[in-house]
Amino acid sequence: AQKVTQAQTEISVVEKEDVTLDCVYETRDTTYYLFWYKQPPSGELVFLIRRNSFDEQNEISGRYSWNFQKSTSSFNFTITASQVVDSAVYFCALSVNNAGNMLTFGGGTRLMVKP
Amino acid sequence: GAGVSQSPSNKVTEKGKDVELRCDPISGHTALYWYRQSLGQGLEFLIYFQGNSAPDKSGLPSDRFSAERTGGSVSTLTIQRTQQEDSAVYLCASSEWDRGPEYTEAFFGQGTRLTVV
Repeated sequence: AQKVTQAQTEISVVEKEDVTLDCVYETRDTTYYLFWYKQPPSGELVFLIRRNSFDEQNEISGRYSWNFQKSTSSFNFTITASQVVDSAVYFCALSVNNAGNMLTFGGGTRLMVKP
Repeated sequence: GAGVSQSPSNKVTEKGKDVELRCDPISGHTALYWYRQSLGQGLEFLIYFQGNSAPDKSGLPSDRFSAERTGGSVSTLTIQRTQQEDSAVYLCASSEWDRGPEYTEAFFGQGTRLTVV
């Protein structure tokens, strides 16, 4: 069975601060995908990134960056210079083998960015 | 439409009644998923449709839950004899391809908030 843990249930920062959201996963499969989704107050889940288990390169997209470390089974997400619009619930998720978008989600981290 | 559309956006029903929730996926998307988001259980996978293949129902919590997808497009999730623990937001998602190197991400709708009273 798979499991995704997001230990931080809620984080509050002041605008322009950097913030890291933690994600730890568990799976016995050697082929898997890791995801991050953003859920703004409107409710829909917005895809941010997918990373496969064979690609440990870190990725940067604008103010967002992701650190994938298989040695610690972690896939952490950092927002640099946070903005109020970053306020949302962020979910880390996992799919294994050939499961496509059948995802196991973590419990989510609510990020509040104050002006 | 441009995105995944779900209706109704809100539904209040009495315990014991049946409800139907509708999902219109993005045109051309072959894969369709239903998820449930509740305070107690978080985000849970329910059921998955891929083209004309038999659906993967491994996430359905009980036999009161069923879903169908007609013509490879619109899907309906049906909950029979609703219980208070069924109260949740039901999210639908679709993706163009979800296998192999053409694997594309899932796009989610805004959900249907179901309240069982």
